[in-house]
Amino acid sequence: DIVMTQTPLSLSVTPGQPASISCKSSQSLLHSNGKTYLYWYLQKPGQPPQLLIYEVSNRFSGVPDRFSGSGSGTDFTLKISRVEAEDVGVYYCMQSVQLPHTFGQGTKLEIK
Amino acid sequence: QVQLQQWGAGLLKPSETLSLTCTVYGGSFSGNYWSWIRQPPGKGLEWIGEINHGGSTNYNPSLKSRVTISIDTSKNQFSLKLSSMTAADTAVYYCARWWPIRAPWGQGTLVTVSS
Repeated sequence: DIVMTQTPLSLSVTPGQPASISCKSSQSLLHSNGKTYLYWYLQKPGQPPQLLIYEVSNRFSGVPDRFSGSGSGTDFTLKISRVEAEDVGVYYCMQSVQLPHTFGQGTKLEIK
Repeated sequence: QVQLQQWGAGLLKPSETLSLTCTVYGGSFSGNYWSWIRQPPGKGLEWIGEINHGGSTNYNPSLKSRVTISIDTSKNQFSLKLSSMTAADTAVYYCARWWPIRAPWGQGTLVTVSS
């Protein structure tokens, strides 16, 4: 299985400040079709995960543009340009280039 | 807009079989893959498996011997069965659209295994 490792596991951010989460995979997530199957989800308290970013850098419908994704191969980053109170929750990266699809352990974002 | 509503028994005894169903509202049911994912209390996410409208499945090897995912295209539903449940299977179980986009997810069903 591809192991997804996120850092940090928790972060506390002042509203209006940026935040960054790293996700590293144990194997390249580049598919032979040229796409890289790396996703970012946010799970707000008491809710199912909601898709933020698909295929490394594409924002899902309705996701604010303060969220951005980048990276390639095995190293990926989710950035929030200006954190807002509604961004609290646990962020997960996920790979689907290889079965079984696997998730990172999660990064908990809190507001200072 | 696609929405998923799931239901099933929330309390099971050890060795019983979990049975959950997810109904898809809105959008196209065919041409998509549909998945089940679970999350033990306070822990991370584990992908269980997926199915397409033709009934082709892929399962997580860690659960493959106990999992069956099926589909009923006439009802826009897909289902999960997980046999020989133990306390380690206690989790919130989610259904989700999985292809071509891995969203949305259902609201989740807490399944507790206890004697």
